[in-house]
Amino acid sequence: DQQVKQNSPSLSVQEGRISILNCDYTNSMFDYFLWYKKYPAEGPTFLISISSIKDKNEDGRFTVFLNKSAKHLSLHIVPSQPGDSAVYFCAASARAPGTYKYIFGTGTRLKVLA
Amino acid sequence: DAGVTQSPTHLIKTRGQQVTLRCSPKSGHDTVSWYQQALGQGPQFIFQYYEEEERQRGNFPDRFSGHQFPNYSSELNVNALLLGDSALYLCASSLVQGGEQYFGPGTRLTVT
Repeated sequence: DQQVKQNSPSLSVQEGRISILNCDYTNSMFDYFLWYKKYPAEGPTFLISISSIKDKNEDGRFTVFLNKSAKHLSLHIVPSQPGDSAVYFCAASARAPGTYKYIFGTGTRLKVLA
Repeated sequence: DAGVTQSPTHLIKTRGQQVTLRCSPKSGHDTVSWYQQALGQGPQFIFQYYEEEERQRGNFPDRFSGHQFPNYSSELNVNALLLGDSALYLCASSLVQGGEQYFGPGTRLTVT
């Protein structure tokens, strides 16, 4: 039972354009969502998070949008840079019930073309 | 400020053997979680330790066990290794009151 889904295994974007990565979830108890970036031979690096009481969080070039009614979140990267090429994972947790484990999606490989 | 460190980097074991992986959390963090990442998949939660106790566990058999030491470092032990245990094992640290989990570089375990 995949509670967090990233349906696009890969995405290619031109340098300078917007990258949009999508994530869907099924568990309505999830109240905290995160995006991680992973380069080969490294562990995931935290990028940005959002609590379910918000619908948008912005940090520099990265913005995460949360649509609770659709159980959907997205990560926007503007402008995209070649160094952004990596695998991006979305993750979710249900903190309010006292569950702190993260449930990860399967990842989307982003390639930013110079 | 040292981040999360893990040892060893790579490990090759034979079916039926036992393995111990080690993790030192980010400075100031008191909670350690372990994840297994199979090829092409996202990390899967194994368990979390706080105050030297297993606080939460994912859907992994009892062959997977852990320990947390008074200095907050942690070990993951896997007994009776199976070929399917071959994966990247990730350690993540955080603060018990919440906040993001910070990951180490992982230990690549190959079971032959």
